Amino acid sequence: QVQLQESGPGLVKPSETLSLTCAVSDDFVNNYYWSWMRQPPGKGLEWIGYLSETESWSTRYNPSLNSRVTISRDTSKNHFSLRLYSATAADTAVYYCARRIAVTTMGRAFDIWGQGRMVTVSS
Amino acid sequence: QSVLTQPPSASATPGQRVTISCSGSGSNVGTNIVNWYQQFPGMAPKLLIYANNQRPSGVPDRFSGSKSGASASLAISGLQSEDEADYYCETWDDTLKAVLFGGGTKLTVL
Repeated sequence: QVQLQESGPGLVKPSETLSLTCAVSDDFVNNYYWSWMRQPPGKGLEWIGYLSETESWSTRYNPSLNSRVTISRDTSKNHFSLRLYSATAADTAVYYCARRIAVTTMGRAFDIWGQGRMVTVSS
Repeated sequence: QSVLTQPPSASATPGQRVTISCSGSGSNVGTNIVNWYQQFPGMAPKLLIYANNQRPSGVPDRFSGSKSGASASLAISGLQSEDEADYYCETWDDTLKAVLFGGGTKLTVL
């Protein structure tokens, strides 16, 4: 089964860029959305965005984060990345990468998740 | 505050049945499939129910999902102590063009 693994700095300074990578254990194939979520300590899940294999590698982001986020891929290394610009303390969270798979003709679900990476934004 | 509304907590004794609700609107729950995730402390979420009422392989049939209009529910029957976890509903919103999660429900097995 495909496995996902997040990596990247666990501490980021305010106003700097939060950068994480998600390694995918298998080749990128069609019909998946490669996604990022986050979860602040003691709080719920928030969707950040996804990269769509199905739609010519287009991206879609949470409107609340749209101006500060970029998700991209590197097929030569079988991974995809998250960059969150101008980080603040409010961005402190566990960040998860996940695969979003078609479960019906019109619907998708997150079927595989990474273990998560805690990132703290602090000086 | 989440667009999808879940009760922050629920509790029941072993063997009982508990239901967790997820309330949305016509642009999300009312139109699109609902998925449910189970999360234990310090762990990643796990897909529990997809497409409103389907169980992935390996999920016990004690877990079931349903949807009516703009509301969905997760039911757990024959409650066990190992079911104590956080549960999240999730769906797509056609207006926001975004994936939405409910605020989560912490289930306590008394």
